[in-house]
Amino acid sequence: TQLLEQSPQFLSIQEGENLTVYCNSSSVFSSLQWYRQEPGEGPVLLVTVVTGGEVKKLKRLTFQFGDARKDSSLHITAAQPGDTGLYLCAGAGQGTYKYIFGTGTRLKVLA
Amino acid sequence: KAGVTQTPRYLIKTRGQQVTLSCSPISGHRSVSWYQQTPGQGLQFLFEYFSETQRNKGNFPGRFSGRQFSNSRSEMNVSTLELGDSALYLCASSLSQGAHVNEKLFFGSGTQLSVL
Repeated sequence: TQLLEQSPQFLSIQEGENLTVYCNSSSVFSSLQWYRQEPGEGPVLLVTVVTGGEVKKLKRLTFQFGDARKDSSLHITAAQPGDTGLYLCAGAGQGTYKYIFGTGTRLKVLA
Repeated sequence: KAGVTQTPRYLIKTRGQQVTLSCSPISGHRSVSWYQQTPGQGLQFLFEYFSETQRNKGNFPGRFSGRQFSNSRSEMNVSTLELGDSALYLCASSLSQGAHVNEKLFFGSGTQLSVL
C-alpha cells in the first residue's frame, strides 16, 4: 500500500519566517503534486514535479522532488498570512487512476 | 469557465438514511474522482469515473457507490448512513484519466455531510 506521510502536522509561525514541509514515502511515485486548501474550499493545485531531483519555484514557494522519487519538500520563504492553509502532497499511484494524498500540514502564519 | 460544482453544500442526515451527492465537472473534463476528507484520516480516495465507467475504487464499503452520466456529471450515493460517514466529500475533475502524469485535478468546494 502506498502511503504519504507529511511533517510537521501543524505549524504556527510569525510573518516573515521561513518554513519547510516534508512529504515522505517508502514507495516510488511517477509524479508528486502539492495542493493548498483553505477553509470551506477544495484543494487547489500549486505544482506538479515529475523528474527525480527536480526543483520548481512559484514566487516564494520552492518545491523539490527527491532523487529517488519517494519524497518531496515545500519551502516557503518569508511566509505571509495569505499562506495560511492546509498543504497536501499527492502522488500518482503506479498503475492506477487515482491520486494518493498525504496526511496534510496545517500552516498558520501570524501577522 | 465555470469550476467544479458540488451540490448540496451542506447536508444533515440521521443514521440509517441514505444520501446522494452531485458533482458537475468543468466543461470538457471527462474524469471525475470522489474523495472523503476527515480530520483524522485526511483525504481518502473513493472512486474515479471516466466516460461513465468506474476506473478505480478505494477501500470503502459497498454502501458507497457512484455513477457518471453521459454529460460527465457524477453522483455518489451512501446508503445506511453511519456516524463515521460524517465528512467533507470532495469531487475533482480532470481532462482525461486521473493520476496521469501532469494531470491536474480541479476540486469543487465539497459537500459537508453531518450524520446525527
